Amino acid sequence: EADIYQTPRYLVIGTGKKITLECSQTMGHDKMYWYQQDPGMELHLIHYSYGVNSTEKGDLSSESTVSRIRTEHFPLTLESARPSHTSQYLCASSEVLRGQGNTEAFFGQGTRLTVV
Amino acid sequence: KNQVEQSPQSLIILEGKNCTLQCNYTVSPFSNLRWYKQDTGRGPVSLTIMTFSENTKSNGRYTATLDADTKQSSLHITASQLSDSASYICVVSDRGSTLGRLYFGRGTQLTVWP
Repeated sequence: EADIYQTPRYLVIGTGKKITLECSQTMGHDKMYWYQQDPGMELHLIHYSYGVNSTEKGDLSSESTVSRIRTEHFPLTLESARPSHTSQYLCASSEVLRGQGNTEAFFGQGTRLTVV
Repeated sequence: KNQVEQSPQSLIILEGKNCTLQCNYTVSPFSNLRWYKQDTGRGPVSLTIMTFSENTKSNGRYTATLDADTKQSSLHITASQLSDSASYICVVSDRGSTLGRLYFGRGTQLTVWP
């Protein structure tokens, strides 16, 4: 079983509120990701990190921000939530073997966010 | 452009039957390919991982094949069970940069009926 955890699992929040989705992994992986997934649709990369103090934007534009102060922790923040942010957010981590690319990516259980 | 295409988009089969899911990719340079199973409302869980030199890999009732020449992979599920109902996602990793990135297919939604 993967040692990557997301909290909360479900969140219903009002428009304009600031929220932080937590993601922690205990595998010592350098690379971490945030994906956004609407029901029945594919995963879209919104942020990723190569390691501590590294953050990059993904393929899908997102109004969220991320930080990577510690290897094991990769929180995602929305300063002002809107109904258009309603979605499932999945955090993942992977080990990178030099010259071999990523090994397996491990996913958290996801956070189902609903903004009303 | 690096892409991963999966077919069919959705599939319904009866319990006990076999099925095969397809994945075609254009990701280059290729590093590895994984099949993930994603239950509704959960995070994806890895079923198999295959590198360039591997043609077949099994995990219980799941058997994945890889043809690196034609850039095709398949996932064969034997003797399906109701619990196999899920989305199956093909994920390809490149080695183009020092830190490879992941390319996701849209998934095949499998429904197993009793």
